[in-house]
Amino acid sequence: DADVTQTPRNRITKTGKRIMLECSQTKGHDRMYWYRQDPGLGLRLIYYSFDVKDINKGEISDGYSVSRQAQAKFSLSLESAIPNQTALYFCATSDASGQLQETQYFGPGTRLLVL
Amino acid sequence: GNSVTQMEGPVTLSEEAFLTINCTYTATGYPSLFWYVQYPGEGLQLLLKATKADDKGSNKGFEATYRKETTSFHLEKGSVQVSDSAVYFCALTLNSGAGSYQLTFGKGTKLSVIP
Repeated sequence: DADVTQTPRNRITKTGKRIMLECSQTKGHDRMYWYRQDPGLGLRLIYYSFDVKDINKGEISDGYSVSRQAQAKFSLSLESAIPNQTALYFCATSDASGQLQETQYFGPGTRLLVL
Repeated sequence: GNSVTQMEGPVTLSEEAFLTINCTYTATGYPSLFWYVQYPGEGLQLLLKATKADDKGSNKGFEATYRKETTSFHLEKGSVQVSDSAVYFCALTLNSGAGSYQLTFGKGTKLSVIP
C-alpha cells in the first residue's frame, strides 16, 4: 500500500462549487504539505503543517484553506472554485528531523478541472 | 529570495546517450540541494541529494555534484534508458529561520528517451 494517498485522483467541478481534496499518510510523519503543479511553473507551496496544531500559509494560499484533522490526515479545500485553480495537486510529508536534508514524500496527485 | 533555474525542456535523447540537465540556484544562505523525479502519472520521488559543497549525490546511475562556486547542481547520467523518461525537478531547502525547511523547486525538465 502507498505511504501517501490522495483522494480523489481526478475531479471535475464547476465554478463556485466547494470541493475538498484529502490526503492520508501512514509514514508517521509530523509535517505535511500541499502543492499545486502547473505546466511550466513547477510546484508551488499552498499550505503546510508541522503538527496538528500548526498550520502555515505557503506561497499561494489565497482561495484555499486546509484542515489537519489528525497527524495522518491533511485536507485542502477550495471554498469557491475558479477556473485558474485547474491544476495537479500534490500532498507531501516529511519527518521532523530538523535537518536541512530531510526528504519529502509525495502522494500520486489529484488532477482538478474547474469548468 | 531563493530560486532554482533549470534548463528548459523537453529533452529528447536516444537510448544510451549521455544526459545533462543543468540547474543553478540563488539562495540567501547555505542550502541543501535535491533532484526529484516524476514518472508519468505518479507523484515526485527523491532521486538524489547533497547537503554541502563538493558533495556528490548519486542514485540509479544519476549523479550531481554540489558546486558552491558556480551555485550549480547539474544532473548527469552516462547512458540513459527508456525507463528514465520522466520530468526532473531540481530543488533546494533553506532554513527560513522559523524552523521550516520549505522546498523551492525549479520548473522541471521533461526527458523523453527513445529506443
